[in-house]
Amino acid sequence: DVVMTQSPLSLPVTLGQPASISCRSSESLVYGDGDTYLNWFHQRPGQSPRRLIYKVSNRDSGVPDRFSGSGSGTDFTLRISRVEAEDVGVYYCMQGTHWSYTFGQGTKLEIK
Amino acid sequence: QVQLVESGGGVVQPGGSLRLSCAASGFTFSNYGMHWVRQAPGKGLEWVAFVRIGGTKTKYLDSVRGRLTISRDNSKNTVYLQMDSLRTEDTAVYYCVKDSGSGSDSEGSFDSWGQGTLVIVSS
Repeated sequence: DVVMTQSPLSLPVTLGQPASISCRSSESLVYGDGDTYLNWFHQRPGQSPRRLIYKVSNRDSGVPDRFSGSGSGTDFTLRISRVEAEDVGVYYCMQGTHWSYTFGQGTKLEIK
Repeated sequence: QVQLVESGGGVVQPGGSLRLSCAASGFTFSNYGMHWVRQAPGKGLEWVAFVRIGGTKTKYLDSVRGRLTISRDNSKNTVYLQMDSLRTEDTAVYYCVKDSGSGSDSEGSFDSWGQGTLVIVSS
C-alpha cells in the first residue's frame, strides 16, 4: 500500500500566523488519466472529518481562501495563510490514486 | 443537503458479528460510490471498503477482506457493512462516506461523511 507521511505531527501556531503541513507519498500519485488524487481533510475535536482540498489544489465550496494546497508527484503541502481559532484540530492528507486508499498519520494544529 | 446516518454499532465479543447500516439522503444515491472509513479510539483515519454504484464491484482493506462485506440497496438508499469474525483491532468509529465521483468508479475522494457509529469488540 502507498504510505503517506505527514510532518509535523504537532503544530502549535499563534493566531494570525501562517502554518504549513507537508505530506509525502511512497509512490507517485499521478493517475493514468493525468490527475493527482491527493486530498486534505480537517477533523475538529468530536466531529467527523470534512474535506478541504481535492486533486492537490482545488478548494471545496465554503472553505476559506486562507487554505491552499500545492505539490506534485510525491510531495504535497497544505498552507494556511493566517490561522484562526476555528482551524484547530487534526489535518489529514489522503491519496485516492491507488487502492487501498491511505491517509497520513494526521497533524494536530493547536493555538499557542 | 447530503445526509448520511449510520446505525448498528455496539459492543460485540471477539469472533462475533455486527451489521452496520447507512441511510443516505439529499442526493441521487444510485449515482455515487460509497465507502466505509474507520477511526480507532484516539487514532487516525483508515479506509475500509468501497462499493461501486451498481453494487457489483467492491474494494477492501487487506486486513478486513473476507471478514467485512460492503453492499448497497439502491431502492432503499442504504449502504451496509456486514462485519463477521470480528477482532479487537476492529474497535473503532465507522464512518459512512460518499465518493465525490458520479461515474461508475471512485473519483478518489470523499465529499461527505456521516457522524459515525462506534463498534467495540471486547470480551
